This record gives sequence, C-alpha cells and structure tokens, in this order.
Amino acid sequence: DQQVKQNSPSLSVQEGRISILNCDYTNSMFDYFLWYKKYPAEGPTFLISISSIKDKNEDGRFTVFLNKSAKHLSLHIVPSQPGDSAVYFCAASKGQENYGQNFVFGPGTRLSVLP
Amino acid sequence: DTEVTQTPKHLVMGMTNKKSLKCEQHMGHRAMYWYKQKAKKPPELMFVYSYEKLSINESVPSRFSPECPNSSLLNLHLHALQPEDSALYLCASSQQLLVPRAFFGQGTRLTVV
Repeated sequence: DQQVKQNSPSLSVQEGRISILNCDYTNSMFDYFLWYKKYPAEGPTFLISISSIKDKNEDGRFTVFLNKSAKHLSLHIVPSQPGDSAVYFCAASKGQENYGQNFVFGPGTRLSVLP
Repeated sequence: DTEVTQTPKHLVMGMTNKKSLKCEQHMGHRAMYWYKQKAKKPPELMFVYSYEKLSINESVPSRFSPECPNSSLLNLHLHALQPEDSALYLCASSQQLLVPRAFFGQGTRLTVV
C-alpha cells in the first residue's frame, strides 16, 4: 500500500514556464514533507521541505504548497530551466523521538524541460 | 562539508562472495540510513541507525548486515546475495530530531551475478 503517491510518472514543460509536480499521501501522521531531485546514477538531492504546520514554503524558484485537509502537496518551479530536467521524488516523514526519521518516498515524476 | 561519501561506486559480486559497502559523513549527524533503489522505483528504507544504535530494520533479510562503528561511519555487509538484490544502495544521514532532512550519498551500484 503506497503511502506517498505521485500519479504523474512524467511531465514535459517548455523552458520559462511553470512546472507543477503533485504528490498525495495517505498517512495523516506524517509531519514533514520534502522534495528531492535525482539525476541518473546519483543520490537524491534535497530541494525544499515543509512542515505540516505550514501551508507554503518558498526558496528561490521553488515553492511547495501543502493542503493538509486534502493530504496533497505540490512543487512549483518558476521559471523552469533545462537543468531542472530530472526525476523528482516527494517524501514524507513522521518523526520518532530518538529513532531517526522514517522517510517514505513516492514513485517519482520525471520532469523534462524543453528548450 | 555537506557530503555523504559512499564507496565503492560500483560493485560486482558473485552469490558466494562477502563484500561491504561503506558510508561516511562528517556533518555531525547522529542518524544514518541505508536505502535500496531498484530501477524506476523510489528509494526504500532498509535500516536506520540513531546514535550508533540500530533503531529501524525494515524486515531486511539477514544476508544484509549493517554496522555503525562510530558516529561518522556506516557499513553494510553483504553475504550470499541473490541476483534480485542488484540495485543502487544509498546511504543518507540527518540531524537528529529537529531537522528531518536527509543528505544522500551518490550510491553504490551493486550487481550480483
């Protein structure tokens, strides 16, 4: 049973336009959400995160929106650049005191930004 | 230094071999993780070490044996693996508790023949 879902396996966007990547989760105990970007044969690179007590977090071209009632979050990239082409993973975490974080990843969305 | 370093980058091993994957970080993080990633799948958590103690084992077969010799090092000992264990093995670390953000290494591409 997938706790974190990314229903679009791929997305193509024109350079300069907005990219919107979506993520849904089922476990209401998740209290932190993260987006990672991954190139082939590399480890995931952290992009941006949001705590469950917030509904928006911005960092440069990247903004993450969280809708707790809908158990939905989205990553907006504006403007999109060809270098943004990668696989984007949504991850959710439920903190466990003294036990580290259990990060659960979605299946990923492959973003292609076309010049 | 915000790096998690994994060695080797690539490993080919036979089903009767014993090998080890190594991971190192010098960010002072007290939680370290092993993830396994198959092609076109998300990373799947295998083990979590918190303050050098194994805190989460996601029902991983005993042919995978983790070890945390100190707060900077994490090993994954491999023995009698199967071809279906071929995958990208990712190590990660995070600050404990307050900042649930994991830093990942580049991974070890393991092929079992």
